[in-house]
Order: sequence, then structure tokens, then C-alpha cells
Amino acid sequence: GAGVSQSPRYKVAKRGQDVALRCDPISGHVSLFWYQQALGQGPEFLTYFQNEAQLDKSGLPSDRFFAERPEGSVSTLKIQRTQQEDSAVYLCASSLAVATSGRTGELFFGEGSRLTVL
Amino acid sequence: AQSVTQPDIHITVSEGASLELRCNYSYGATPYLFWYVQSPGQGLQLLLKYFSGDTLVQGIKGFEAEFKRSQSSFNLRKPSVHWSDAAEYFCAVGARGDYKLSFGAGTTVTVRA
Repeated sequence: GAGVSQSPRYKVAKRGQDVALRCDPISGHVSLFWYQQALGQGPEFLTYFQNEAQLDKSGLPSDRFFAERPEGSVSTLKIQRTQQEDSAVYLCASSLAVATSGRTGELFFGEGSRLTVL
Repeated sequence: AQSVTQPDIHITVSEGASLELRCNYSYGATPYLFWYVQSPGQGLQLLLKYFSGDTLVQGIKGFEAEFKRSQSSFNLRKPSVHWSDAAEYFCAVGARGDYKLSFGAGTTVTVRA
């Protein structure tokens, strides 16, 4: 597609519900990232995929967070048993470059999925 | 680990006036530096980047930034702001072979007529 597409744009969940956030990166982009942006803060790294391989999940806050990219294109971030502290904007970004190129800062971001947990 | 500080939370500037946003980073080696802009309801858009070479980099929308190693800074400037420049601006630091970016907390720019 023309840009990174994320859905849903807004999600309200009751505490304890499971949610799934979808990211459709730019076609052909090898690298895919998820970032979490809390209110008034900059984005914080969650996880990184190179094609279908999840190379780094060190930023995931807890084992309630799970991400996948089974065919190397669309990715889903799943949050189980949501808590109020999970409320944030979840940003997906993709890049044509791979991690070893050293130029992975040239990221293209989606508009984000704003999650509110009541 | 790298970190970024944006000292100014909010800046108000008149349309047509100049703008400078401050960014200080902490990183042991030569950093890769970026400025992103986020308009309301939009994703982050890359304004400019520094990897190496000329320390004054030009970006889109008339922005430029200067890397000063001695001051660990990468300040963003624009000579004359337009109302459409009202947005939130994020400085970020990365490194060769490290795909993670560390972002500052952002500076919100308000443009008054």
C-alpha cells in the first residue's frame, strides 16, 4: 500500500479483555516495528520483526503482550487481559532496510491505534 | 544505552518567526540522529536524519538541523514558521546495527497568527 495502515484507530476495552491491533506495512518493507506511546511521552520500542522472524521482543512490557508476523507482511499485536496501564497509542512502523544496514532509522509510521482500557 | 532529552515541553512562536527546538543526546559512540514530526491524529513523519558527514543537514518542509558532537546536541531550526508547522516534534537517536530508536518526550509547537 501507499503507507503503513493500522486498525482499529481507536479501541476501548474493559479491563481484562483481550485486544488485537493490526498493522499493514508498506509493501516490500522487510523490517517492522511496534512502539508504544503513552500520553505526553515519546514512543517506546516494543518489538522488531525482520520478515517473519521476531528478532527482538525485549521491549514488550509483560507476557500479556504478544506480536506476530506470520507471512512477513501484516503484523498483529495482541494484548491479553488488558490493564489500565496498557492505555496508550500503539504505533507500527516499517522500513525497507534490515537491521544490519545501520540505517533502520528511516522508519515509516502508521497513524497508530489508540487503546483506552477502562 | 542511548537517551534523548528535549528540554522544552512547549514552545509558542509567531507565524513568520524563526524556530529552534533543542535536542540533547547521550550515547557513547557516533549516533544516528533523527527528527520526526507528529501532527494531530497522524503518524510520525521523518523530517531529517544524520548518519555521518556534513553536520548541517537539510530536511523536508524547510527544516534543518545541526549536529554538534562537543555539545551532544542536534537542534532543529526553521527560519520562518508557517501555521501548518504546529505539531509535536520528536528527536530520536539510534546507532549502526541497532534497530531500536530512543525518542525524546517531544516538544509541542504552537503557532500564533
